[in-house]
Parts: sequence; C-alpha cells; structure tokens
Amino acid sequence: DARVTQTPRHKVTEMGQEVTMRCQPILGHNTVFWYRQTMMQGLELLAYFRNRAPLDDSGMPKDRFSAEMPDATLATLKIQPSEPRDSAVYFCASGYPPGPGNTIYFGEGSWLTVV
Amino acid sequence: QQQVKQSPQSLIVQKGGISIINCAYENTAFDYFPWYQQFPGKGPALLIAIRPDVSEKKEGRFTISFNKSAKQFSLHIMDSQPGDSATYFCAARLFRWNTGNQFYFGTGTSLTVIP
Repeated sequence: DARVTQTPRHKVTEMGQEVTMRCQPILGHNTVFWYRQTMMQGLELLAYFRNRAPLDDSGMPKDRFSAEMPDATLATLKIQPSEPRDSAVYFCASGYPPGPGNTIYFGEGSWLTVV
Repeated sequence: QQQVKQSPQSLIVQKGGISIINCAYENTAFDYFPWYQQFPGKGPALLIAIRPDVSEKKEGRFTISFNKSAKQFSLHIMDSQPGDSATYFCAARLFRWNTGNQFYFGTGTSLTVIP
C-alpha cells in the first residue's frame, strides 16, 4: 500500500530551536508539496518540488524556513529558529506528473507545537 | 487571496440526511477539481474528483455537481452516516507547462452527522 511517510508525527519544541520535518514521497512520484494547516488559514502551500527542483516556495517565510530534496526519496522542511506562531500541522504530499486525473496524495502530517 | 471559496465552515446533519458543501472559483484555467476528506489526526485523502467538461460525477453516496458557467461545484453526501463526520476540502488544480500542477484548497467544512 503506497503512501507518503512523514516524520516526526508529533514534535514539541521550545522557541528558538531548530525543527526538521522529513517526508518520503510515494515511489515514482516526481512532485512533492509541503502544506501547512491551521484553523485560521486552512491548507497553505509552502513549497513545491518537481524532479527534486524547487519550483515554488513563495508561500514560505524565507527568513526561517527552508525546504530541500536531497534525493528522490526524501524531502525536508526546516524551521530555524522556530517561533510559537509556527505551531501547526505540516503536510507533505506527492503526485505524478501532470495528466488527466492526476492528483496528489497526503501524508499523515507532522504536528508541531512551539512553546 | 483565496482562490477557492468554500462554504459552509461547519455543517451538522442528521443520519440519513443529505450533506451539501459548496465551492466557488474564479480562475477558468483550473482543469481538475478534487475533494478531500480528512479525519482527525489524519492527512487529507482523495474522495472524489471531477473535470470541468463533466456536470456530475457520482461514486456511491458521494456526488459532485459542477456548474462551469457559474464557476461553482458542490459535494453532495446522500444518506449521511456518522462515519462521514470529517472535514471536507474542495480543491482546484492549475496546470502550467513550466511548473506543472498546483493545487488550491478551500478552507474546509467540518461535517458532523448526528446518529
């Protein structure tokens, strides 16, 4: 059963600490998305990769957030330094190349609390 | 700027009733409209999707109605069950040759089905 795998599932950290979230996309998928979900904003796109190259990270606060794909099986989202307002659920999603009926599949999320 | 507007924010329906969630969009370049279902503690999961050249798609108790001229689409859940209680997101896909697929999500509808 192919699925997107995210780690950690839950993270509580102190303000100012570095947080790294990891994502293993579904094998064969070449597009990877990072979303942040909050009650106020819903699902916000943070970054988007195709064939490991970043295509759109305009939704990401550049001063503290960074996203990378070191290889085709790993995407990372890093927050340094973390702030309480970063508390949210961070979802990774992956998908096939564009085509009829192609959509994206979400992981179960990384629940981040910054205190 | 919200590309996809979703309503209502929350919905309470009696078991056996019909749940209706509405979405509207402005960008006529959107070419695919999926709905996602999210249970507490889980990531959004694809529920049903429609292309804009089709006015209706039905899968079991779930139906999407699509009105291209009005730029609106809706999810109907027939014979709603307590197990349908979840948050539902509509989405719209935009394809660009240089960036591939991007997905824009509504703000979500929290559905509660009362036994």
